[in-house]
Amino acid sequence: EDKVVQSPLSLVVHEGDTVTLNCSYEVTNFRSLLWYKQEKKAPTFLFMLTSSGIEKKSGRLSSILDKKELSSILNITATQTGDSAIYLCACGGSNYKLTFGKGTLLTVNP
Amino acid sequence: GAGVSQTPSNKVTEKGKYVELRCDPISGHTALYWYRQSLGQGPEFLIYFQGTGAADDSGLPNDRFFAVRPEGSVSTLKIQRTERGDSAVYLCASSLGLAGLNEQFFGPGTRLTVL
Repeated sequence: EDKVVQSPLSLVVHEGDTVTLNCSYEVTNFRSLLWYKQEKKAPTFLFMLTSSGIEKKSGRLSSILDKKELSSILNITATQTGDSAIYLCACGGSNYKLTFGKGTLLTVNP
Repeated sequence: GAGVSQTPSNKVTEKGKYVELRCDPISGHTALYWYRQSLGQGPEFLIYFQGTGAADDSGLPNDRFFAVRPEGSVSTLKIQRTERGDSAVYLCASSLGLAGLNEQFFGPGTRLTVL
């Protein structure tokens, strides 16, 4: 059975801090790893990673995949209160389903 | 439309009742997915449609759950004889449907509460 584990489960930081969120996976025929940000209800897409070692970047967020270690990290620099959310990691195999981790609840205090 | 839409946004029902949840995918997306998210958990896969057909319904918890997509666009998730344990947020997602490339875009979800 496919499995995705995220750590930490929750994190509290101050504005301006840098955070690193972790995701590890055991997925049959792994094809892609996705990061989503969830505020209120709808997960919003952040990144999709398919190749090891290639960093994807969007503003203050960046992510990289390590297929050897079966893991990924999501970095957020210079955090803002608007970054407070649940960050979900999900993996897709050769099929179409996404298997999600439980998420990391990030709270950024002013 | 611009994004995935779901209706209703909230649904409160009584144990034993029947409910229908609707999903409108992004225009042009052939693949549609239903997930269920309980408090403190990530979304869990329920069913996947490619076009009009349910390609995989292995995530449906039991035969009280059923979903259709008769014209390959809008989908309805139907739950019969609801139970309190069905209470969750039901999320719909759509994608271009390319095998192995699973960039899925989610709707805002329907929060179902069974009293």
